[in-house]
Amino acid sequence: EIVLTQSPATLSLSPGERATLSCRASQSVSSYLAWYQQKPGQAPRLLIYDASNRATGIPARFSGSGSGTDFTLTISSLEPEDFAVYYCQQRNNWPQTFGQGTKVEIK
Amino acid sequence: EVQLVESGGGLVKPGGSLRLSCAASLFTFRSYSMNWVRQAPGKGLEWVSSISSSSSSIYYADSVKGRFTISRDNAKNSLFLQMNSLSAEDTAVYYCARSASIIRGGMDVWGQGTAVTVSS
Repeated sequence: EIVLTQSPATLSLSPGERATLSCRASQSVSSYLAWYQQKPGQAPRLLIYDASNRATGIPARFSGSGSGTDFTLTISSLEPEDFAVYYCQQRNNWPQTFGQGTKVEIK
Repeated sequence: EVQLVESGGGLVKPGGSLRLSCAASLFTFRSYSMNWVRQAPGKGLEWVSSISSSSSSIYYADSVKGRFTISRDNAKNSLFLQMNSLSAEDTAVYYCARSASIIRGGMDVWGQGTAVTVSS
């Protein structure tokens, strides 16, 4: 099973700041990594798929990069609605796995 | 609006069974792979099972293999998860989600979730 390790566990930032979230895979997942945002009491929302492709309707301030084992989600300038938990997911190998999540909180 | 609506959750005793359903609307259900993902209280997301558009490919997490069965009825735009031999570790909110491919890509539409509680 591929283990995805997200860091940091919590990111404390102010609105307008840049957020950089990391997801590291225990073995290569090629470019088949997705990022999701989840707010309390809500279902996850797809942000990025295949490492760097923004999903439909996702603002341009969200971007993804990486391949192989190291991936990054960047939020260029945090908006108030961006404070949430973010998960990465690999869909290249079975079983599919999620990272443990990074919480982006208001500083 | 494209929508997925889960149902069938509830309180069940350890060892019991439950069947979850997911009704799809306003998209061509038969063209998409479908997935179940769960989230235990206060925990992260856990992939449970996936099924291809034609049901030809099916995968399960090791934690549910042999106990859970995923299926779909493309004529009725519905996805199912039959859960047997339930234990407290299966307590979670269960989400259904669609994906263009059974592997790769992402899960772009999610239901609101249905809660399953396994307790005596």
